[in-house]
Amino acid sequence: KAGVTQTPRYLIKTRGQQVTLSCSPISGHRSVSWYQQTPGQGLQFLFEYFSETQRNKGNFPGRFSGRQFSNSRSEMNVSTLELGDSALYLCATSTGSSGNTIYFGEGSWLTVV
Amino acid sequence: GQQLNQSPQSMFIQEGEDVSMNCTSSSIFNTWLWYKQDPGEGPVLLIALYKAGELTSNGRLTAQFGITRKDSFLNISASIPSDVGIYFCAGHLGGTSGGSNYKLTFGKGTLLTVNP
Repeated sequence: KAGVTQTPRYLIKTRGQQVTLSCSPISGHRSVSWYQQTPGQGLQFLFEYFSETQRNKGNFPGRFSGRQFSNSRSEMNVSTLELGDSALYLCATSTGSSGNTIYFGEGSWLTVV
Repeated sequence: GQQLNQSPQSMFIQEGEDVSMNCTSSSIFNTWLWYKQDPGEGPVLLIALYKAGELTSNGRLTAQFGITRKDSFLNISASIPSDVGIYFCAGHLGGTSGGSNYKLTFGKGTLLTVNP
């Protein structure tokens, strides 16, 4: 079955702009989480959506937001980009129920210049 | 916030050797997961552990969920060059206890280099 699909894979944005990243989960997966990976901070949890509702949230500023659609696809948005937002953004999906395993997409590489 | 201490930070071994890495946590998890990440790619799931004391194998990989629920280890036997990469442990509180917190907390990773 198809894996987790993230688009775009690579993008370059200018400071102050905004960006939207997309994630299509594995079929049947209703939980979608987003992570930021940087060399300095490692993998940091941004937020999790389940059935179109934000279920958990990490410690990131309000410039980072997300949403989930009825087909479980999710988008995350970063507004007013800063240089420090340059990172690999990873989407992870699961069925969201007990005993559950979490799978990652290949990520979206964001460079802010 | 919750921290996972993963060790060692890096390992340089000869092909054919066995490898062991572990993670410890200041608090419990209900699920432990081990991932491998190659440069420029997302983490790939290696092994999932759902119950304290559970020992699970996946080919040359073996992992255990510590009985205290605060630690886990991963062993790789007879390493080969394609084992090169960064290995991450991760835990979450969702699972058989019914918790809905699937936020993953990650270790800092173990960089494995295998010399042919």
